Amino acid sequence: EVQLVESGGGLVQPGGSLRLSCAASGFTFSSYWMTWVRQAPGKGLEWVANIKEDGSEKCYVDSVKGRFSTSRDNGKNSLYLQMNSLRAEDTAVYYCARSNWADYWGQGTLVTVSS
Amino acid sequence: DVVMTQSPLSLPVTLGQPASISCRSSQSLVTSDGNTYLNWFQQRPGQSPRRLIFKVSTRDPGVPDRFSGSGSGTDFTLKISRVEAEDVGVYYCMQGTHPYTFGQGTKLEIK
Repeated sequence: EVQLVESGGGLVQPGGSLRLSCAASGFTFSSYWMTWVRQAPGKGLEWVANIKEDGSEKCYVDSVKGRFSTSRDNGKNSLYLQMNSLRAEDTAVYYCARSNWADYWGQGTLVTVSS
Repeated sequence: DVVMTQSPLSLPVTLGQPASISCRSSQSLVTSDGNTYLNWFQQRPGQSPRRLIFKVSTRDPGVPDRFSGSGSGTDFTLKISRVEAEDVGVYYCMQGTHPYTFGQGTKLEIK
């Protein structure tokens, strides 16, 4: 059974940093692109970033370029999202999803950026 | 970036009746490999999204056959042949070429 479990969310002040993790199981992690999607409270879905199977290619939505960085450790079946210079508008539930086209999703982790 | 526009944004439906959601893209979604990467997702209240359909019309495993996807180029449709209570939630289309973008979401409720 495919499982994706996000962690690392919490309350952070504007300008602060946070690192999210996504633990994957039930499939060959190293064979899939992985994706991050976020959802602001009461709002729709926004694609944030994705990363190739071997980590050699990464893509980001314009609003997070230069501030967020995604990485992966295939030996640990884990995906990461390093978020720096956080803004209030980054407040959202962050989901990791398998593949570029998000066939499986985690339960999400809430990031709140507020003073 | 490709803009995805859904309609309607709110969809009250009587149980057992059909429902239809439109999704239009600001440019053709046909890629150089001849595929069209248009996906549909369902998000039930309080749950994570779930993919229903990929590449316009292919249902994901376990998705009831009352859900169907169609369309081409810039115009796409998700249809539910007979709405059931468990179908309540928000439905999103998503185009699958970088940078990926979602529609605004369509909230389906029971009338």
